[in-house]
Amino acid sequence: GAVVSQHPSRVICKSGTSVKIECRSLDFQATTMFWYRQFPKQSLMLMATSNEGSKATYEQGVEKDKFLINHASLTLSTLTVTSAHPEDSSFYICSASSLSGGQETQYFGPGTRLLVL
Amino acid sequence: GQQLNQSPQSMFIQEGEDVSMNCTSSSIFNTWLWYKQDPGEGPVLLIALYKAGELTSNGRLTAQFGITRKDSFLNISASIPSDVGIYFCAGRPNSGYALNFGKGTSLLVTP
Repeated sequence: GAVVSQHPSRVICKSGTSVKIECRSLDFQATTMFWYRQFPKQSLMLMATSNEGSKATYEQGVEKDKFLINHASLTLSTLTVTSAHPEDSSFYICSASSLSGGQETQYFGPGTRLLVL
Repeated sequence: GQQLNQSPQSMFIQEGEDVSMNCTSSSIFNTWLWYKQDPGEGPVLLIALYKAGELTSNGRLTAQFGITRKDSFLNISASIPSDVGIYFCAGRPNSGYALNFGKGTSLLVTP
């Protein structure tokens, strides 16, 4: 159980275009999902917390108009990188929060590799 | 959130050896999680700890939630080549669900 999927697994796009990444919890409902960015050989950097039915909470320094997050259902959150530029190239990973018996655990998706040319 | 202090940064060991890594924080956490990440993939949950003093095993892996609630360790016994990867600790403070991560421990195992 507790499987999280991401789509696409990798994407190459031209500078100036927008890219949408989907994150789905396959076998549980996730009120809260998280979006991370990871640079090579570094730890995960939290970008935003996505709550179902409400606006996402962005971390300091993350542009909310640049990284649009939508959490339309308890199993789906999307991250749209708008007007992508080469510096947006990175590994984007989502996680979904699973609450069971009062204990919360986060399960991660497999990640999406974005390359902006 | 704060970055946790995870050590060692990297380890290079022989197959069959035991491994230990730990994580400390300056504040109290109510959850400690240990993940393993292979190149190009997302982190996979290894062990979750929810109570101070809790000691939990998952196969050859054992992790403990420190009594002070500010630290945790992960042990791997009898390492094998497929243990290679980056291990991350993560802690959750009392408020909210966002995790604080360590910088990771890179483990290399030679046959």
